[in-house]
Amino acid sequence: AQSVTQPDIHITVSEGASLELRCNYSYGATPYLFWYVQSPGQGLQLLLKYFSGDTLVQGIKGFEAEFKRSQSSFNLRKPSVHWSDAAEYFCAVERDMRFGAGTRLTVKP
Amino acid sequence: DTAVSQTPKYLVTQMGNDKSIKCEQNLGHDTMYWYKQDSKKFLKIMFSYNNKELIINETVPNRFSPKSPDKAHLNLHINSLELGDSAVYFCASSQDVEGYGYTFGSGTRLTVV
Repeated sequence: AQSVTQPDIHITVSEGASLELRCNYSYGATPYLFWYVQSPGQGLQLLLKYFSGDTLVQGIKGFEAEFKRSQSSFNLRKPSVHWSDAAEYFCAVERDMRFGAGTRLTVKP
Repeated sequence: DTAVSQTPKYLVTQMGNDKSIKCEQNLGHDTMYWYKQDSKKFLKIMFSYNNKELIINETVPNRFSPKSPDKAHLNLHINSLELGDSAVYFCASSQDVEGYGYTFGSGTRLTVV
């Protein structure tokens, strides 16, 4: 069955530490892949997307993501997390814009 | 000059009532969507609509209906509200181009009491 999975429901990192949020997809062909961020009480904002070409994509707010076809993964990374990055992060695939369950990021001072 | 705007931001109503949520986008996008986000933050698509077709998620009760007076608006009507309809509803829009990505509104928190 087609699906997108975010294995981590909640992650806590210290401010200044690096971050990696995991996303795995299960589709017949490589779909378009997205990461969105939802700050408390807000809508979703597009961070970055991948559909072809360079497997390392850069996004807004210092985020990047790497597409690995062999692992069916599209993990989101940031080298140094800021307190303002605390939010809910969603991976999504565009066959039918299906979202993962989300990963809540908490940032410790 | 908000790109996708929803009104109201909060809506509290009694069971059995009929209510509407409005959505407008000023991006010139071709397609609009409604999503439901439950208390666990899970996002489920309810409808997608462009001037060609309406696609309905088959799991959505027929008490929910989208109405599009024009390309820039997609309103959500809900009849006979139930407690389980309490959620945050997001409107979104996109160009009808693969890989474009969606622009979301800030959401409407519906509470049915």
